[in-house]
Amino acid sequence: DGGITQSPKYLFRKEGQNVTLSCEQNLNHDAMYWYRQDPGQGLRLIYYSQIVNDFQKGDIAEGYSVSREKKESFPLTVTSAQKNPTAFYLCASNPSPTSFSYNEQFFGPGTRLTVL
Amino acid sequence: AQSVSQHNHHVILSEAASLELGCNYSYGGTVNLFWYVQYPGQHLQLLLKYFSGDPLVKGIKGFEAEFIKSKFSFNLRKPSVQWSDTAEYFCAVNPSIYNQGGKLIFGQGTELSVKP
Repeated sequence: DGGITQSPKYLFRKEGQNVTLSCEQNLNHDAMYWYRQDPGQGLRLIYYSQIVNDFQKGDIAEGYSVSREKKESFPLTVTSAQKNPTAFYLCASNPSPTSFSYNEQFFGPGTRLTVL
Repeated sequence: AQSVSQHNHHVILSEAASLELGCNYSYGGTVNLFWYVQYPGQHLQLLLKYFSGDPLVKGIKGFEAEFIKSKFSFNLRKPSVQWSDTAEYFCAVNPSIYNQGGKLIFGQGTELSVKP
C-alpha cells in the first residue's frame, strides 16, 4: 500500500530531552512537510523540504530540526529548546510542489507527543 | 501576513440538517483552495479542492464548496448531514506567492458534531 507512515503513534518524553519523530512515504513525492496541530489553532507549518538535502523553515521552526537525506524520509527532532512541545504532529507530502496548477498535500496519521 | 479564518469553532447539528461552514482568506492574488476533514482517530484527508474553472466544486460524501473571489471566501456546504459527518473540518489556502514549496495556510478548524 502506498502512503505516509509516522511512528510512533504516541510518544512521551521528559522535559529537557530531545526526541525524534519519524515520517516515511513510499509515494515518490518530492516535497514533505511537518505541521503541528493544537486545539483551536489549526495546523501550523514547522519545516518543509522540496528536494533531498534541502529544507526550509516554516512559521514555527524554533526548537525543531529536520533532515532530508533520503527522498522517502523526513524525520523531525523536537529539541529541549522547544518551550511547549506537547502537541499532535502531522507529516505530509506533495507530488508537485513547484506546479501551482496541481499541488496537493497528503497526510500521515500523526504522532501525539506529550512532555511529562 | 496571509491568513485563513473559519468563522465557527464548534457547530452542533441534528441529522438531516443543512450545513454551511465559512472560510475566508486574506490573500488578494491567485489561490488554490482546499477543505480537509479529520474524522475521530483518522488521518487528515482531502474533502475537495479548487484550482481553477467552475467555482462550485463537488467533493466526496456529498460535500460541495463555492469559491467567491470577490468575497475571498470558500464556504463548505452539505444539504443533509449524517452522524458519520462528525469530524473536524479545516479550510486551507495555497496562495500563488507560495507556489515555491506548495505551502498551505490552514484555518483554525471547525468541529462539527451531528446528533443522531
